[in-house]
Amino acid sequence: NAGVTQTPKFQVLKTGQSMTLQCAQDMNHEYMSWYRQDPGMGLRLIHYSVGAGITDQGEVPNGYNVSRSTTEDFPLRLLSAAPSQTSVYFCASSEVASGLYSSYNSPLHFGNGTRLTVT
Amino acid sequence: AQTVTQSQPEMSVQEAETVTLSCTYDTSENNYYLFWYKQPPSRQMILVIRQEAYKQQNATENRFSVNFQKAAKSFSLKISDSQLGDTAMYFCAFMNLANSGYALNFGKGTSLLVTP
Repeated sequence: NAGVTQTPKFQVLKTGQSMTLQCAQDMNHEYMSWYRQDPGMGLRLIHYSVGAGITDQGEVPNGYNVSRSTTEDFPLRLLSAAPSQTSVYFCASSEVASGLYSSYNSPLHFGNGTRLTVT
Repeated sequence: AQTVTQSQPEMSVQEAETVTLSCTYDTSENNYYLFWYKQPPSRQMILVIRQEAYKQQNATENRFSVNFQKAAKSFSLKISDSQLGDTAMYFCAFMNLANSGYALNFGKGTSLLVTP
């Protein structure tokens, strides 16, 4: 079982270039999300999705776009890369609880991250 | 908004000793989840332990246990019999399903070094 797969593992971009970070999960999880990790900042939520066709913004969405056409895939797009987007990016997925608390038994499963450098 | 504070940027412990990592959080909610994640140099995010706020009993997972003080909004992680493989960044995280769904609110992390 592959879990959450992110590609690429490393990427270097020049300012203004565009690219897509790929994320795929094979656990049939409805919830998927993207985080960025910066030194001394912990992880911060960029965008998330609770199912195919549904996306929403997190804490730091500016400069990023997402779409969710299938349950399995949740790509993150940088339309015009900036040095401030140099970071490590994590994709994470989870089941969606049928109730608020009693049936939530699936914590977030993380991918192995993508290290992005924008020069 | 919920905030998560880890007041110890770096800690060190000798192999086989016990260490406690601190975490406090701020919320007005009554029901929520708390987590500790480990991030070794490989960069992988690994769930160490979780605690449901409505459960009074502290969670334990082998050598890892928590001291959950709901009134004090404190959630510390105790690692017993520390091993070299425990060297990693440790993140405390908060989740409130009712208000923010499955979004995790992370602390800034504590870097733990286990020495021989």
